[in-house]
Amino acid sequence: QKEVEQNSGPLSVPEGAIASLNCTYSDRGSQSFFWYRQYSGKSPELIMFIYSNGDKEDGRFTAQLNKASQYVSLLIRDSQPSDSATYLCAVNVRGATNKLIFGTGTLLAVQP
Amino acid sequence: GAVVSQHPSWVICKSGTSVKIECRSLDFQATTMFWYRQFPKQSLMLMATSNEGSKATYEQGVEKDKFLINHASLTLSTLTVTSAHPEDSSFYICSARVTSGNAYNEQFFGPGTRLTVL
Repeated sequence: QKEVEQNSGPLSVPEGAIASLNCTYSDRGSQSFFWYRQYSGKSPELIMFIYSNGDKEDGRFTAQLNKASQYVSLLIRDSQPSDSATYLCAVNVRGATNKLIFGTGTLLAVQP
Repeated sequence: GAVVSQHPSWVICKSGTSVKIECRSLDFQATTMFWYRQFPKQSLMLMATSNEGSKATYEQGVEKDKFLINHASLTLSTLTVTSAHPEDSSFYICSARVTSGNAYNEQFFGPGTRLTVL
């Protein structure tokens, strides 16, 4: 079982719709969860992080965390074509190393 | 957010040569930096964790004698790919973890270095 799993997509949504990106993780002791956006040929850009159960909102983005189900998601409201990218879920590995384990990413395509 | 730079942004070299990639945190100090490699259409794979003033910690399967890491200051880490071969061609990305007040381990990424070995 992979440590961090994401559907590779592509996830296609029309402009203005809500895009829902999902991620599951295997280490129940994981404490911090991150969403990064990566445009083709570029390095990842941090969108937001979450560490408590529930929702965290930042502009058009909402991260949702459910530790009991080992599930974290990212909602993008009013999706724009410029949101088209690969979204990477990353989980902080429990322990002293501060490593992040990345999922394979979900490709989002927002159709104008 | 914190700014991380990498140099060079791309490099083409002949097989057997060595290539050095620099990673700098521009507006913060980074006790810990990370080196990743990303092949086309694949996710980031952590190669090693670079700790200022001590030896790097390499992930399983990464040859420490081939990928030399030096973290001589709180703002600079270098990765040297020694005796590069075509299979080392990849996108190398560093990240830095803000040292102070960072309870959640956010990592900020550099722009990446695309290495092509002929």
